[in-house]
Amino acid sequence: QSVLTQSPSASGTPGQRVTISCSGSSSNIGSNTVNWYQQLPGTAPKLLINSNNYRPSGVPDRFSGSKSATSASLAISGLQSEDEADYYCAAWDDSLNGWVFGGGTKLTVL
Amino acid sequence: QVRLVESGGGLVKPGGSLRLSCAVSGFTFSDYYMSWIRQAPGKGLEWVSYISSSGITKYYADSVKGRFAISRDNAKNSLYLQMNGLRAEDTALYYCAGGPTSLQFDSWGQGTLVTVSS
Repeated sequence: QSVLTQSPSASGTPGQRVTISCSGSSSNIGSNTVNWYQQLPGTAPKLLINSNNYRPSGVPDRFSGSKSATSASLAISGLQSEDEADYYCAAWDDSLNGWVFGGGTKLTVL
Repeated sequence: QVRLVESGGGLVKPGGSLRLSCAVSGFTFSDYYMSWIRQAPGKGLEWVSYISSSGITKYYADSVKGRFAISRDNAKNSLYLQMNGLRAEDTALYYCAGGPTSLQFDSWGQGTLVTVSS
């Protein structure tokens, strides 16, 4: 059972916009920034969004993040086949004194 | 080019020990905040341990507290994870990851596999 809650799966067709949500609590998302990681099949995770809504260099602007209270979202617009991956949210938890991850959302491009 | 390379994984019996290493290059290691993160087969990511850039501050997940110890040698550009009292549930791919701030994991290695089985 992950501290941050994500839907296990999401899907969309090429060109569509999809949103992945991440729900936490006051001790994690409510008081710290949220990061999103993309894990392509068979590879290590990669930082996709940091500090709620910043894209590291090289990340397409099709990816965007937002945060409100104790929830966060990752939006992917203009969906492409290469976006098929697992997506994880993460935040520092002040009560646990550690990082917590969501259980991951498997995105399928139909 | 930032590069992190883990090593030291392998097959170990329950109760045994392993020491993982992470060799880094392409950046000033002493400026980086580092963590170990693991992923059990077919499962999600689980943070294991964190160490500050100076090595002074360390945190552990409850699941490994008292059994694992994180350390670093900034002169050797290396991060370590000493794992004692290993259990079957510690079986996972262990990644080292870190960045120039403590706020996110900017760079990741490819992982080293630890299997705990009799």
